[in-house]
Amino acid sequence: AQSVTQLGSHVSVSEGALVLLRCNYSSSVPPYLFWYVQYPNQGLQLLLKYTSAATLVKGINGFEAEFKKSETSFHLTKPSAHMSDAAEYFCAVSDRANQGGKLIFGQGTELSVKP
Amino acid sequence: ETGVTQSPTHLIKTRGQQVTLRCSSQSGHNTVSWYQQALGQGPQFIFQYYREEENGRGNFPPRFSGLQFPNYSSELNVNALELDDSALYLCASSRGGDEKLFFGSGTQLSVL
Repeated sequence: AQSVTQLGSHVSVSEGALVLLRCNYSSSVPPYLFWYVQYPNQGLQLLLKYTSAATLVKGINGFEAEFKKSETSFHLTKPSAHMSDAAEYFCAVSDRANQGGKLIFGQGTELSVKP
Repeated sequence: ETGVTQSPTHLIKTRGQQVTLRCSSQSGHNTVSWYQQALGQGPQFIFQYYREEENGRGNFPPRFSGLQFPNYSSELNVNALELDDSALYLCASSRGGDEKLFFGSGTQLSVL
């Protein structure tokens, strides 16, 4: 069975500081991995995805994530936080055989950005 | 190109009632997935519809059912509502075989 664990339900950083949101996955098959962002009262928006091409994946809004098979991790980073980055972030995994749509999400990490 | 739209945005029901939530998929998408997001939790997969057929189901009881129509819009029906059904219900559309989902803003269901 696949699962995702996000370490830290809440992360707070200062504007301009590094953002690091942690995600570890468990999968018996090569996974697809995703990061989604959710702003208040909105649906989820895809930030980036890993589907077995490059292990360092660049996404929107300056975010990137690195797939590390040896550590079963897919941490999300951004070099310099902006106030507009404050939101809930979800890591998700899917089975490649599922052909999309059936994602298993982590519990989420709320990112706060202090001025 | 229109995005994924869900209706209604908010709904209040009492325990034991039935509810229908609606979703219009993004233009060109033939697959709709439904998720339940309880407060403070990540979304949980309910089921997926592909070309009007159910194409996978999560760990939800049979009182959660769905439909997909020829125009690929979809409905989620929940019978015999329970207090724990209170949640944000998210619909996501995609092209069949594509892992990229486009989410609607959700329907916030409160069961009293």
